[in-house]
Amino acid sequence: DGGITQSPKYLFRKEGQNVTLSCEQNLNHDAMYWYRQDPGQGLRLIYYSQIVNDFQKGDIAEGYSVSREKKESFPLTVTSAQKNPTAFYLCASSFGRVNYGYTFGSGTRLTVV
Amino acid sequence: GENVEQHPSTLSVQEGDSAVIKCTYSDSASNYFPWYKQELGKRPQLIIDIRSNVGEKKDQRIAVTLNKTAKHFSLHITETQPEDSAVYFCAAGRGSNYKLTFGKGTLLTVNP
Repeated sequence: DGGITQSPKYLFRKEGQNVTLSCEQNLNHDAMYWYRQDPGQGLRLIYYSQIVNDFQKGDIAEGYSVSREKKESFPLTVTSAQKNPTAFYLCASSFGRVNYGYTFGSGTRLTVV
Repeated sequence: GENVEQHPSTLSVQEGDSAVIKCTYSDSASNYFPWYKQELGKRPQLIIDIRSNVGEKKDQRIAVTLNKTAKHFSLHITETQPEDSAVYFCAAGRGSNYKLTFGKGTLLTVNP
């Protein structure tokens, strides 16, 4: 629902493993974003992509990687280099410039066990 | 880069009272200021936004004001209801850019 789908909703990862979070949108939005949400920290930008095959680091990109091979998809990989990966991850999309606002996905809660 | 500060971090009001959440921003070039509401376990949703060429915007019980000189903007909720209970985030960005910078959020609790 809402045109942007994140999966899975809950994800458990063992230490030392890489894991990929999925984000798909059918809103025909050009731009897509990944944010990390921790209690009391608000939303912090990990990566964003303005167009296919192009993406930029956000404020906390270390330990994460992304790809943008299709307009509809912007998967996020949490690598073993991310020291504290347990968090709630939100994907968002927009038509382009920020003054159109973001549409958020429903999030993926990642827990390292 | 942009820095957005949001206050208070928690706010508790009685049903029917008004609630005000304030944000300040650092980048004078920012010209777009949205507010998002996030209910427990759900996605943030845009509830109102304002652009720098406007000083105030209203939508039913919700209003946002902007003071460009002081670089602060506020969310006003009147006649609060229990369903207004949520975390509210302010954000700031340049309309020519793609990034929004968010405040840390305000947990609003409306007591019946």
